[in-house]
Parts: sequence; structure tokens; C-alpha cells
Amino acid sequence: ETGVTQSPTHLIKTRGQQVTLRCSSQSGHNTVSWYQQALGQGPQFIFQYYREEENGRGNFPPRFSGLQFPNYSSELNVNALELDDSALYLCASSRGQGVITEAFFGQGTRLTVV
Amino acid sequence: SQQGEEDPQALSIQEGENATMNCSYKTSINNLQWYRQNSGRGLVHLILIRSNEREKHSGRLRVTLDTSKKSSSLLITASRAADTASYFCATEIAGFKTIFGAGTRLFVKA
Repeated sequence: ETGVTQSPTHLIKTRGQQVTLRCSSQSGHNTVSWYQQALGQGPQFIFQYYREEENGRGNFPPRFSGLQFPNYSSELNVNALELDDSALYLCASSRGQGVITEAFFGQGTRLTVV
Repeated sequence: SQQGEEDPQALSIQEGENATMNCSYKTSINNLQWYRQNSGRGLVHLILIRSNEREKHSGRLRVTLDTSKKSSSLLITASRAADTASYFCATEIAGFKTIFGAGTRLFVKA
């Protein structure tokens, strides 16, 4: 176990709805990254938060947004869900911006959009 | 398109054999990491190699990095059935982005 927990583990939503996914970081980690992984593909970088500020973003539309809280836990919000948003969403925490260190991943949230 | 591309896409070997996976990338990197993923679950970090390093070892794992060719390889020696998983390389690039490849699916037959 990595100490990174994600909730919920599984979720089914209807197209057009909004969803919030949650991630708690490993103790001592102040950076959280979110990834989307479609079936059979590698994880795609969504964005990264460092000390409550977004400091890196991948090629995802603005309806993908996030927050990082003072305790360094994080949320991923997706508005106006589309069928293609169905995927495994992974968060990873690490020890800091500019520090070359490994990232620890949670087990993911499996989102199905119908 | 993916920054990292793993090769082969799939690999099937017998227990005890060595498995070699390759990763190529396109832009300058800060570091390169290899991860393992079992059955669509969370990723497990295996090894990190910095851009100024050429080779690293960790147990049965050996990673090489050739920045002139923009490529890396992961060697798993004396493979075991428990090594069956998907393996991904991930490159950290400027702008605090970590880019994953599509992965190599390794199947180790007992």
C-alpha cells in the first residue's frame, strides 16, 4: 500500500452530469498529479497541484478542474460528462516541485459514463 | 501523441527467462521512471533514472538510459509468474509534466 487513497473506487454517471473524485496524499507529500487512463492505454497527464496551486496541465479541456487543500488532499472535478470520459482516474502524490523523487499512486477510481 | 513509446507492445516468456522492454521518447527530459501496473490497478514505482545517469540496478531490474538516442530499456532478469503485468515508462519534462507511454504487457508463463 502506498498511503495514497482515492474515493470512490467505482462510479457510474450519466452523460452531462458532474463528478468529483477525491484523493488523499501520502504523509509528507505536497504535490498531487491526476491522470486519466483509458482501457488498454497509458495514463494521460491531466494536471498537477503543488501547495494548492495548479503548476502543470495536460491537454484536457477546462471542464476538467481541480483543487488541492491545505492538507494536500485533492479533488478532480469533471463537468458535462461525456461517454469518452469513461476511464480509470489515478492520482499520485510526491514530495515536491523540483525534487526528483518517485510518485506514489492510489488504486484509482473507475468512472463509467452512460 | 505519446511522449514515450514502449516496445514491444506485448511480450510472452517462460518463467526464468529475461524480459527486455524498450522506451523511446521525443523531447528533453529531467528524468525517466518505470512503473508496473497489475490488472488496471494503481501503478507501482520500480525505478527512477536521472538524465545524467546511464544505468541503474534494483534487485532483478536493470535500467539503461541513452539520452543521445532518447531511449531507455528495462531488463527483468530471472522472471517470475508474479512479474506478469503492464510496464510503463514515464518521462518528466519541463513544465512539471509526467508523460507515460502506452506500455508493454508482459506475460510470464509458469
